[in-house]
Amino acid sequence: EDQVTQSPEALRLQEGESSSLNCSYTVSGLRGLFWYRQDPGKGPEFLFTLYSAGEEKEKERLKATLTKKESFLHITAPKPEDSATYLCAVQAGTGNQFYFGTGTSLTVIP
Amino acid sequence: KAGVTQTPRYLIKTRGQQVTLSCSPISGHRSVSWYQQTPGQGLQFLFEYFSETQRNKGNFPGRFSGRQFSNSRSEMNVSTLELGDSALYLCASSYQPGQETQYFGPGTRLLVL
Repeated sequence: EDQVTQSPEALRLQEGESSSLNCSYTVSGLRGLFWYRQDPGKGPEFLFTLYSAGEEKEKERLKATLTKKESFLHITAPKPEDSATYLCAVQAGTGNQFYFGTGTSLTVIP
Repeated sequence: KAGVTQTPRYLIKTRGQQVTLSCSPISGHRSVSWYQQTPGQGLQFLFEYFSETQRNKGNFPGRFSGRQFSNSRSEMNVSTLELGDSALYLCASSYQPGQETQYFGPGTRLLVL
């Protein structure tokens, strides 16, 4: 069964304390892996797309990496405004369907 | 370029009623997908439309249906509402199905009493 698992479920960091979020997946025929940020009461905001193992993308304090079975979202020196839920999704299968993880809720404390 | 828009933003219904939600994709995008988001389940895929045709459907009962118009706007309908249908309903658009990034709207918050 196609599955996407994110860990940890919740993460509290001090401002400036770097860390990583994990997204592991078991799907056949991966077409792409996507990271989104979601603020409370809003729709997910697109961050990155990764297509092949070894690929990396960066945006401000965020860096996403991809291996054959998982992806990491590294947050360097986070700020309170980085507090949000980070969602991982994979597009896979013959129907190119999207499968979402349940997200990591990040809180950055000043 | 305007983003994905969804109407209404908030909706309160009672059990047994039906509801129609609307989604206007980003200009030029022809693929529209719908998701249900609840605290316990995360984002669950409902269905995807491209060129007025349903391409994929998730594991939801037949009470959930949708359609897409020639201008790529999409609607989803839920009939005979149940308490468990309370959720944030999200619409996402992309240029076309396949290896394409989806961009989400703000969602419609549905509360069923």
